[in-house]
Amino acid sequence: QKEVEQNSGPLSVPEGAIASLNCTYSDRGSQSFFWYRQYSGKSPELIMFIYSNGDKEDGRFTAQLNKASQYVSLLIRDSQPSDSATYLCAVNGVRNVTYKYIFGTGTRLKVLA
Amino acid sequence: DGGITQSPKYLFRKEGQNVTLSCEQNLNHDAMYWYRQDPGQGLRLIYYSQIVNDFQKGDIAEGYSVSREKKESFPLTVTSAQKNPTAFYLCASSYGQGYFSNGYTFGSGTRLTVV
Repeated sequence: QKEVEQNSGPLSVPEGAIASLNCTYSDRGSQSFFWYRQYSGKSPELIMFIYSNGDKEDGRFTAQLNKASQYVSLLIRDSQPSDSATYLCAVNGVRNVTYKYIFGTGTRLKVLA
Repeated sequence: DGGITQSPKYLFRKEGQNVTLSCEQNLNHDAMYWYRQDPGQGLRLIYYSQIVNDFQKGDIAEGYSVSREKKESFPLTVTSAQKNPTAFYLCASSYGQGYFSNGYTFGSGTRLTVV
């Protein structure tokens, strides 16, 4: 089992819809969780992070963390074509290792105009 | 504006050649990292440094070397011992570490190709 797993996609959603991206992790002791957006050929940029169970909202983005079920989600409301990118989930504290993040392979999102 | 600068953007390496990738940050971050990204794989950690004059191997350090003589700079050398160096190389920095980190800031990356 991979330490951080994401469906590679592509996930296709129509413009204006809600895009839901999911990430599961193997270590229940993991501490902090990050979502990055990466456009093709570019470097990742941080969207948001979450530490505690529940929801965290920032503009059109909502991160949801469920530590009991070991998953973290990113919801993008009112999806725009400019949201089309690969979304990377990163987890810190896997196996008590805190000096690095473990990255998933990313989910490719396509927002159709 | 604060940020991380990587150079060059594209780099071509001949067989048996060492090349050095530059990474400079003006964010006053203590921790710096080098990751490698290959298609279909997650980012993999090459080296990291938590403080000046100290650095540690990551998961795939073989064939690479680094130095951290200044807080702002963390160059990566890809040596001839690295047999499959073609990849997208990302430098990152963070203010804190682990639970106290608010995430990495990445540079724009260097795409290295063996010719």
